[in-house]
Amino acid sequence: DQQVKQNSPSLSVQEGRISILNCDYTNSMFDYFLWYKKYPAEGPTFLISISSIKDKNEDGRFTVFLNKSAKHLSLHIVPSQPGDSAVYFCAATMTDSNYQLIWGAGTKLIIKP
Amino acid sequence: SQTIHQWPATLVQPVGSPLSLECTVEGTSNPNLYWYRQAAGRGLQLLFYSVGIGQISSEVPQNLSASRPQDRQFILSSKKLLLSDSGFYLCAWTLGQGGSDTQYFGPGTRLTVL
Repeated sequence: DQQVKQNSPSLSVQEGRISILNCDYTNSMFDYFLWYKKYPAEGPTFLISISSIKDKNEDGRFTVFLNKSAKHLSLHIVPSQPGDSAVYFCAATMTDSNYQLIWGAGTKLIIKP
Repeated sequence: SQTIHQWPATLVQPVGSPLSLECTVEGTSNPNLYWYRQAAGRGLQLLFYSVGIGQISSEVPQNLSASRPQDRQFILSSKKLLLSDSGFYLCAWTLGQGGSDTQYFGPGTRLTVL
């Protein structure tokens, strides 16, 4: 049973426009969510996170939105740049324990020039 | 600064052969260490994690095993590889024990079992 789902395997966006990557989760006990970015043949790197006590967290061009009632989060990248082309993983966890990260399958973002 | 090394970068092995992948971390002490596998078209699957020397927690039953002989060394092994073991293996470290701690990943090993 996939507790974290990224239903879009890939997304193509024009350079300069907004990229929106979506993630859904099923476990209502998750209270911390993270986005990681991965280039080919490299390990993922941390991008941005959000706690369930917030509904928005912003860091430069990257904003993560959390809708707890819908069990949905999204990552917005504005404006999109060619270097943003990568695979983006959504991950979730519970902070009250040593519960580990549960990862989505990833969305490949392609920024077109 | 902290760095994490994995080797080899790529590996092609026949079915039934043994496996040993090594991961080492520099610049930190007593890290928590993780082994993940990313199969084609799938997310990261946590295989093992370790909070200290000789302490291994297994998340998924399989024909793989892990060992932590030294504080900053984590080894993934198999006695006999299966075709389904093909994938991209990633080692990661954190300072904290929870999933909310930022995980720092190594460059990964691409394993192809033929």
